[in-house]
Amino acid sequence: DGGITQSPKYLFRKEGQNVTLSCEQNLNHDAMYWYRQDPGQGLRLIYYSQIVNDFQKGDIAEGYSVSREKKESFPLTVTSAQKNPTAFYLCASSMRLAGGAGGRNNEQFFGPGTRLTVL
Amino acid sequence: AQSVAQPEDQVNVAEGNPLTVKCTYSVSGNPYLFWYVQYPNRGLQFLLKYITGDNLVKGSYGFEAEFNKSQTSFHLKKPSALVSDSALYFCAVRKTDKLIFGTGTRLQVFP
Repeated sequence: DGGITQSPKYLFRKEGQNVTLSCEQNLNHDAMYWYRQDPGQGLRLIYYSQIVNDFQKGDIAEGYSVSREKKESFPLTVTSAQKNPTAFYLCASSMRLAGGAGGRNNEQFFGPGTRLTVL
Repeated sequence: AQSVAQPEDQVNVAEGNPLTVKCTYSVSGNPYLFWYVQYPNRGLQFLLKYITGDNLVKGSYGFEAEFNKSQTSFHLKKPSALVSDSALYFCAVRKTDKLIFGTGTRLQVFP
């Protein structure tokens, strides 16, 4: 998990509330990613960002929002529009290759995760 | 469409025996394949990747994976399993600037 921190480790939310999950990396990586993990479904991509002030929707972006104001930080907000937010959320980062190849050959490094429970 | 499949939800093996965790892929073009491991309530840890070159890729903790183009497989292997290898293993394939993950295989190594 080295170099990527996520906070808090456990988060409880009441229905109808927005919550923000923190992700910080000190690896000088350009690309950052948010995944959601549910039992038996593997990891599903929520949002990703290849560069500061730019981000793209993943496969399950509805009910989530992100920002990328700094290279080191990629916070995820789970809004009240997300119908089933209880899950384990994982943040990751990776290098981009020089020349803008997108870091496609580079592995992603993961944070320790945040477990969100809606009460 | 790029995808990976992990056909086994769980693999059980005795300590000291060889282990195999299966992964098959479907890609257009050259595949870039990865294996990750996840311990309980933790993030994923990178084990190894195949980009090009030698079909046998060596990774962390004594794991290796064999790329087989004709069978479109990338199985994870270890010659002698340890109890501490018990974890959830994910295969992944690159799709443009993203990774597509399999559903995971739980490896249980019994003493």
